[in-house]
Amino acid sequence: AQRVTQPEKLLSVFKGAPVELKCNYSYSGSPELFWYVQYSRQRLQLLLRHISRESIKGFTADLNKGETSFHLKKPFAQEEDSAMYYCALSNSGGYQKVTFGTGTKLQVIP
Amino acid sequence: EAGVAQSPRYKIIEKRQSVAFWCNPISGHATLYWYQQILGQGPKLLIQFQNNGVVDDSQLPKDRFSAERLKGVDSTLKIQPAKLEDSAVYLCASSSTSGGPGTGELFFGEGSRLTVL
Repeated sequence: AQRVTQPEKLLSVFKGAPVELKCNYSYSGSPELFWYVQYSRQRLQLLLRHISRESIKGFTADLNKGETSFHLKKPFAQEEDSAMYYCALSNSGGYQKVTFGTGTKLQVIP
Repeated sequence: EAGVAQSPRYKIIEKRQSVAFWCNPISGHATLYWYQQILGQGPKLLIQFQNNGVVDDSQLPKDRFSAERLKGVDSTLKIQPAKLEDSAVYLCASSSTSGGPGTGELFFGEGSRLTVL
């Protein structure tokens, strides 16, 4: 079974402060990990995926297989980063099944 | 390119009534997903289609929920009869399996918000 855990429902930070949204996963194979974001009144959309190794809007995430984590980080939070963030895991092999965590609401305080 | 289209955006029904949601995925996307998102929770997969075949419906309450994807394009999710606990946002998503850019990324619709009274 595959499982994604996001321990924080809400994370409040001041503008300019560092951000770290935590994500831990459980999966027996080699997963693919994603971060999806939902801005106010917008649809859920992909922010980044671990295989791309990209920095999107200043966010990065590193897959740590030893700790089974995929935390999302940004050195300096901006007000426009306020949104719901969902960590997601996709299985390897066969059809793609994507499991989401419960989400963390990031609130950036001006 | 046009995104994933869903309708209706909002629906209010009384318990024991029926409701249907429609989804039109991105053209060419073979995989279509229906997720249920209850307030304060993450999206939970209800059913997944590959073309017009079901590949995963393990979490679909089959006594009241049904879904179909005729001709491997658009899809309908039905609830009959509805219960109070079915109040949620029903999200449709699609993804490509072509191997090109964007493969594996889920593209979501705006969702259909159901309130059961």
